[in-house]
Amino acid sequence: EAQVTQNPRYLITVTGKKLTVTCSQNMNHEYMSWYRQDPGLGLRQIYYSMNVEVTDKGDVPEGYKVSRKEKRNFPLILESPSPNQTSLYFCASSSTGTETQYFGPGTRLLVL
Amino acid sequence: AQKVTQAQTEISVVEKEDVTLDCVYETRDTTYYLFWYKQPPSGELVFLIRRNSFDEQNEISGRYSWNFQKSTSSFNFTITASQVVDSAVYFCALSEANYGSYDKVIFGPGTSLSVIP
Repeated sequence: EAQVTQNPRYLITVTGKKLTVTCSQNMNHEYMSWYRQDPGLGLRQIYYSMNVEVTDKGDVPEGYKVSRKEKRNFPLILESPSPNQTSLYFCASSSTGTETQYFGPGTRLLVL
Repeated sequence: AQKVTQAQTEISVVEKEDVTLDCVYETRDTTYYLFWYKQPPSGELVFLIRRNSFDEQNEISGRYSWNFQKSTSSFNFTITASQVVDSAVYFCALSEANYGSYDKVIFGPGTSLSVIP
């Protein structure tokens, strides 16, 4: 079954404590992206990756890091989380050959 | 700068009515992509369609249809014979096309559609 998985699904943490949200896809997709969704601010792209070792900034990359060492994984790293990073995060993947984009179920993060 | 406007914040229709969700975009690029996504009350995001800037053909998929008009910078979405399951927030989005479809994606604010039985 085609799938994008994210872990954890829910996380409560404290300011400054480094965390990683994992994203994995089983479709051999080249393209992967991270988005955040906030009330009043809507959906915004954080980072995207066109393939292994190729990443670029989206609209709101500040405070985040990503890596793409393997095609299937695209972790989102918050090195020093702050309360303004409290949000709902979505990972997505797609193939350059087909247009459909697949989303993970979302990760709800609360930074205290 | 790129921008996506969805002027309709909320729409309510009675089941079986047709409804059109408007999307107007701004970009200086000649090559770009447009998208529609659905977010039902359960919260997941669902991809509906991608259209590149060189393809102005209208698209129909079952009860869904999309009208892309470069002359008015619009990419409108019509649901025919709406159903309760169509109740969701719908997002229109625009991307540059430096490497592929999903570069620098900008989303509209969304339109919340309620279909009343």
